[in-house]
Amino acid sequence: DGGITQSPKYLFRKEGQNVTLSCEQNLNHDAMYWYRQDPGQGLRLIYYSQIVNDFQKGDIAEGYSVSREKKESFPLTVTSAQKNPTAFYLCASSRSRSTEAFFGQGTRLTVV
Amino acid sequence: QQQVKQSPQSLIVQKGGISIINCAYENTAFDYFPWYQQFPGKGPALLIAIRPDVSEKKEGRFTISFNKSAKQFSLHIMDSQPGDSATYFCAASNTGKLIFGQGTTLQVKP
Repeated sequence: DGGITQSPKYLFRKEGQNVTLSCEQNLNHDAMYWYRQDPGQGLRLIYYSQIVNDFQKGDIAEGYSVSREKKESFPLTVTSAQKNPTAFYLCASSRSRSTEAFFGQGTRLTVV
Repeated sequence: QQQVKQSPQSLIVQKGGISIINCAYENTAFDYFPWYQQFPGKGPALLIAIRPDVSEKKEGRFTISFNKSAKQFSLHIMDSQPGDSATYFCAASNTGKLIFGQGTTLQVKP
């Protein structure tokens, strides 16, 4: 099945710890994105990558880091510098600019 | 200039009625306007999308109306069903990255 796989579905983290969220796609898409969703708010862009080994900051990149070493993988690290990391994180990919973006099922991160 | 404003925040419609959600944008460089549907705990799924060279696009019960001069676009859901109850997001893009509206929670009452 083609699609985007995010793991884990639920993640708990202690304050002060870094944690990495996985995102893998087998759609052969060039572009990949990370969004954060908070209750009652839209999706806010954290980071995006249009090509392997290149990525750009989105609107709320502070406290997050990414890598794009392979076309199919775009992991997101939530660092201890992120002040309010509890949220629903969504990964997406698209073939190219201004084309349909497919989303994964999300990872719900809770800081305990 | 990068914002997309969506209204209403929530909407209650009777079964069989028409649901209408509106969005407005400022950046005239946007060239792709999708609508996404999201159920609780799931990722958003593309519902329908339009480009600014057409004023309307219809797919089944879902229609996008696009007004380029007013920089507005809207989603109409005809014959709304309880299964349509979800959160709907409009978005806009010109560089690949999507700028999302705040979302509309739709409840369709039986």
